[in-house]
Amino acid sequence: AQKITQTQPGMFVQEKEAVTLDCTYDTSDPSYGLFWYKQPSSGEMIFLIYQGSYDQQNATEGRYSLNFQKARKSANLVISASQLGDSAMYFCAMREDFTGGGNKLTFGTGTQLKVEL
Amino acid sequence: DAGITQSPRHKVTETGTPVTLRCHQTENHRYMYWYRQDPGHGLRLIHYSYGVKDTDKGEVSDGYSVSRSKTEDFLLTLESATSSQTSVYFCAISDSGQGNQPQHFGDGTRLSIL
Repeated sequence: AQKITQTQPGMFVQEKEAVTLDCTYDTSDPSYGLFWYKQPSSGEMIFLIYQGSYDQQNATEGRYSLNFQKARKSANLVISASQLGDSAMYFCAMREDFTGGGNKLTFGTGTQLKVEL
Repeated sequence: DAGITQSPRHKVTETGTPVTLRCHQTENHRYMYWYRQDPGHGLRLIHYSYGVKDTDKGEVSDGYSVSRSKTEDFLLTLESATSSQTSVYFCAISDSGQGNQPQHFGDGTRLSIL
């Protein structure tokens, strides 16, 4: 069974600084994918970034980048130049393929990020 | 924003009553999912659908059933609600079976079972 571990329940970062949110995973499938989602206090889930297990380069999307270390089974999210609006819960999730296609996601427990002035 | 509407957005009901949550999409996506979110657990998959009338169980399916009679609607039913089903429920959709396609989520339904 797939498992996602986020060991940081809460993190603080100063505005304009970079922050790394940790995510480790466990799977026996050679093909998998990792997603990061943001959940602000308003409650919606916002897709941020994706990394496939066969991707040669680390994914980047604007201020978000993914530090993918396959041998260590880690997929840490890096947010550069933090902004107050980055304060939110962040979830790491792993894709598992299932009957009929589509992507079943297994989520971690999340990291609550607080950006301070 | 993906066209996903969950209804109701909030509901309070009593133990033992049936409850149906609706997810409606305007994106014509094939795949639809129901998750529940509880403190300390992240989101957990309840049921999913890979086409009209094609559904299957997820990780926490006990006590829940689903139906999908049209592409755009995916219903989640609690036949006899229990207090342990108090949670925030999210519907999600995705377009294809391609691995890099993210799931897009509705705004959630906050359900309280008293």
